[in-house]
This record gives sequence, C-alpha cells and structure tokens, in this order.
Amino acid sequence: EDQVTQSPEALRLQEGESSSLNCSYTVSGLRGLFWYRQDPGKGPEFLFTLYSAGEEKEKERLKATLTKKESFLHITAPKPEDSATYLCAVHSLMEYGNKLVFGAGTILRVKS
Amino acid sequence: DAMVIQNPRYQVTQFGKPVTLSCSQTLNHNVMYWYQQKSSQAPKLLFHYYDKDFNNEADTPDNFQSRRPNTSFCFLDIRSPGLGDAAMYLCATSSSGQGGYTFGSGTRLTVV
Repeated sequence: EDQVTQSPEALRLQEGESSSLNCSYTVSGLRGLFWYRQDPGKGPEFLFTLYSAGEEKEKERLKATLTKKESFLHITAPKPEDSATYLCAVHSLMEYGNKLVFGAGTILRVKS
Repeated sequence: DAMVIQNPRYQVTQFGKPVTLSCSQTLNHNVMYWYQQKSSQAPKLLFHYYDKDFNNEADTPDNFQSRRPNTSFCFLDIRSPGLGDAAMYLCATSSSGQGGYTFGSGTRLTVV
C-alpha cells in the first residue's frame, strides 16, 4: 500500500530562520509527488509537482526537491505569512486513474 | 476565475439527521473527489467520480453516499451522521486523474 510520512509534525521558526520539511514515501511506481499548502479552515492549495529523482521546483521562498525515497520542502528566510500546514501527497494507482494519498502534514509557525 | 466551490462553508447537523454537502466546479474537469479530513490528520479519500462512473473506497462507510447529476456538480450525502463524522469535507477535481488536484475551500461539519 502506498504511504506518505511527513516530519516533523510541527515546526516553529523565527522569521528569517531557514529550515526544511521532510516527506518520505513508499509507492509502487512514482507518478508524481505533490506539495500543497493548507491554511486553517481552508482547502489545500497546490504548490509543486515533482516527477523524477533530482528534479527541483522553486516558488518565492520555497524550494522542493525529490530523491527516490523522499522529498524536501526547503523554506529560505521564512516570513510570518508562510505559516500554514504543508501537505505532501503521491499519486497512487486506482482501477480508474490515480488518487492522491496524503501525509498528515507539517504545521509551520513563523514568528516575527 | 475557474474554481471549485463548496457549500456551505460550515454545517451543523444533529446526530442521526441526514445532511447534504455540495460541490460545483467551473474547470470542466471530468473527475471529482470527496475527501474527509479530521483534525491534524491527512485527507482521506472517500470516493470519486470518473466521468459518470462512481468509485467507492473499500473502507468508506455505507453511511456516506454521493451523487453527480452533471459534470459541474457533485453532492456528498451522510445518511445518519454520528459524532465521529465531524470533520472537514474537501471536494477536489482533476482532468482524468492527471496532475495536481484543485480543491475547494471545504465544508466544516459539526455533529451535535
């Protein structure tokens, strides 16, 4: 069964203090790894898709990387507005198409 | 802007009283999903429609049903809500299951 594990569960950073979130996955044939941002009381917002080991994507202060077993979301010089839950997911094959299997997320709090 | 809209944002229902949550989309995506997300947990797929074909997850309770009258709309019916069904319900869409999904803002269900 395809699985996604995220660590740490929660992370507190000072504004400007860079760090990384981890997503380890077990999947029978990677068809895409996805990062989402979720604000309290809202639906997940798409950030990145990665398809193959070595691939990297960047958006403002966020950079996602992928290896054969895990993905990292690097946050450089975070600001308080980066506070959110970050979810990682992989495509899992179903009889009809794919489904996203999510990790439980990392709750990020950035203090000014 | 093309989007996924869920109504209502917040729903309070009585124990055992049927409730319906709705989702509409303007993306013309052929696949629609319903996820359940409990506090600090990963979103969990309940079922999805691939075009008109309904696909239930094996562990989704019979208490949960869904209808998709046309491409744009999808409904989640909970026949007899229990206290354990209190959660955020997320609707998402995709084009043939490929790429990242687009999520609505969710409906927060409270059972009293």
